[in-house]
Amino acid sequence: DADVTQTPRNRITKTGKRIMLECSQTKGHDRMYWYRQDPGLGLRLIYYSFDVKDINKGEISDGYSVSRQAQAKFSLSLESAIPNQTALYFCATRGGTYNEQFFGPGTRLTVL
Amino acid sequence: KNQVEQSPQSLIILEGKNCTLQCNYTVSPFSNLRWYKQDTGRGPVSLTIMTFSENTKSNGRYTATLDADTKQSSLHITASQLSDSASYICVVSAVNNNDMRFGAGTRLTVKP
Repeated sequence: DADVTQTPRNRITKTGKRIMLECSQTKGHDRMYWYRQDPGLGLRLIYYSFDVKDINKGEISDGYSVSRQAQAKFSLSLESAIPNQTALYFCATRGGTYNEQFFGPGTRLTVL
Repeated sequence: KNQVEQSPQSLIILEGKNCTLQCNYTVSPFSNLRWYKQDTGRGPVSLTIMTFSENTKSNGRYTATLDADTKQSSLHITASQLSDSASYICVVSAVNNNDMRFGAGTRLTVKP
């Protein structure tokens, strides 16, 4: 089984809808991250969390919110989706001997 | 301006040939640099990580170099295989910085 899972893998929605992307991990890492990836750009950090009680804004947090329900779960919400939020979204954990990041498979979100 | 610039943007080579991908960064103060491989439709997977004191690190047919003075890194792929077709992403972390700066990636295509 994958260590970092994301649901859904693909989602098409309309402008103004509320969307939640979910991430679960079995690596036992405290640190979790949400990124978005756009063509021609590097991954950009939306939010990150160092534990259940710790939530931090990243580079591009406007229009997004997150919830850390448990050590293993970190969800990303778009309260009112807009077309420029169309992107590939990745969840990641960080930890281990080399403090590496481990990425989920991604969620492709399209906002019409 | 992105703090991590990669070149070329894309590259096509024949199977069995070698290639070198470049990464220049301005992230400071430097902590470490990682190269990731991202297959289409998947999350990035770590290939190598180098700290300030390391000049080179190998992982099979992948060899990364780092020149912290000129703030440049390269990823050399030897005897390329079709499965090397992917995007290669350079990621640089700063000391005491909780996020990492991602390059836009180099899209490598290996043709038979």
